[in-house]
Amino acid sequence: GQQLNQSPQSMFIQEGEDVSMNCTSSSIFNTWLWYKQDPGEGPVLLIALYKAGELTSNGRLTAQFGITRKDSFLNISASIPSDVGIYFCAGSTGTASKLTFGTGTRLQVTL
Amino acid sequence: DGGITQSPKYLFRKEGQNVTLSCEQNLNHDAMYWYRQDPGQGLRLIYYSQIVNDFQKGDIAEGYSVSREKKESFPLTVTSAQKNPTAFYLCASRAKGSGRNIQYFGAGTRLSVL
Repeated sequence: GQQLNQSPQSMFIQEGEDVSMNCTSSSIFNTWLWYKQDPGEGPVLLIALYKAGELTSNGRLTAQFGITRKDSFLNISASIPSDVGIYFCAGSTGTASKLTFGTGTRLQVTL
Repeated sequence: DGGITQSPKYLFRKEGQNVTLSCEQNLNHDAMYWYRQDPGQGLRLIYYSQIVNDFQKGDIAEGYSVSREKKESFPLTVTSAQKNPTAFYLCASRAKGSGRNIQYFGAGTRLSVL
């Protein structure tokens, strides 16, 4: 099955820095989701996007649904230690019940 | 508290043994999913079910089996035919008909081979 390309694969950042990551697909999606997974836990939904060009925020997190519908972006502002984890994107088409997941971006924050 | 409960948190399998992972949800969701996650990789779909008494294979169904006798329960059996079962298994559910294809996840079961 297809997996979405996420970049970067991992990143070390200093506390207080802003973070950007993106997800690209060869297929068009009608829904983009961003999840965060803490070690040994299940993914938790951060942001859901349903419309091309849509920009949605959740606290320090902002995500965008790309205009081409083949990509999405997640930004984290002023990172803090609890932002550590793996961030996954996921996409689906309107009629599909399945999600296609990205390969994940591992975020590590140094103090 | 509504949610998805996976049990056990840790499970050990002996060679040649079948083991069953439990997934229960009280969200009244119609659709349920099982994923496998290997270290440093994304989630791969094993099986999914959109309605009671019906399920479909995902991308990596070989060596696994499922049942969906009740709406709230979707157990996964890892059979002896699965030669590399060590992984983190995640169960998810989704409300159908909302137009919002959001899956909610349980806390996972880590399976190891003895």
